[in-house]
Amino acid sequence: DAMVIQNPRYQVTQFGKPVTLSCSQTLNHNVMYWYQQKSSQAPKLLFHYYDKDFNNEADTPDNFQSRRPNTSFCFLDIRSPGLGDAAMYLCATSVGGSNQPQHFGDGTRLSIL
Amino acid sequence: QKEVEQNSGPLSVPEGAIASLNCTYSDRGSQSFFWYRQYSGKSPELIMFIYSNGDKEDGRFTAQLNKASQYVSLLIRDSQPSDSATYLCAVNFFMDTGRRALTFGSGTRLQVQP
Repeated sequence: DAMVIQNPRYQVTQFGKPVTLSCSQTLNHNVMYWYQQKSSQAPKLLFHYYDKDFNNEADTPDNFQSRRPNTSFCFLDIRSPGLGDAAMYLCATSVGGSNQPQHFGDGTRLSIL
Repeated sequence: QKEVEQNSGPLSVPEGAIASLNCTYSDRGSQSFFWYRQYSGKSPELIMFIYSNGDKEDGRFTAQLNKASQYVSLLIRDSQPSDSATYLCAVNFFMDTGRRALTFGSGTRLQVQP
């Protein structure tokens, strides 16, 4: 089945230790998104790739970066995680822009020790 | 200011009743509207989307859109205990990047009592 796959499902890292979360998709969608969702809060858009065009939201911390080496893969790098970065990180894809439905992966729950 | 407002709930309805979930949004120019269901600890799952004023039905679900009032709702008929979840409303807004992207509300928690 075509899908959006996030690895790992659970990630534990130490305060200040860089961590990378990955997302892959078999849907061949041209847009990929990264969201951060904290408990009982709305998913918050961090950035998205429209094809190779990177779009970073103004309030996304500099600590967060992303790479999209090809259509299928997208990575979220957190350079120096702080306690406030503990959250669920959601990857989503869509074909075309925001008028189209987004399909989410299962998410990666990040814990910071 | 990009805002999507939802009552956090919980909204409690008996099994078999109609659940009505509401959402208001701040951008009059928004063009597309989505409802997602999110079970605790899971990722959002698309339920419905709507682009035009009026009603759109899919099985037990009906989305209603009123752009003049900046209001979108989701009706769930014959509610089942398995419908108990948080329902997220998402609206496309112009973001800082100059592109439109989805802004999510914080969700309404629905509890269907057996």
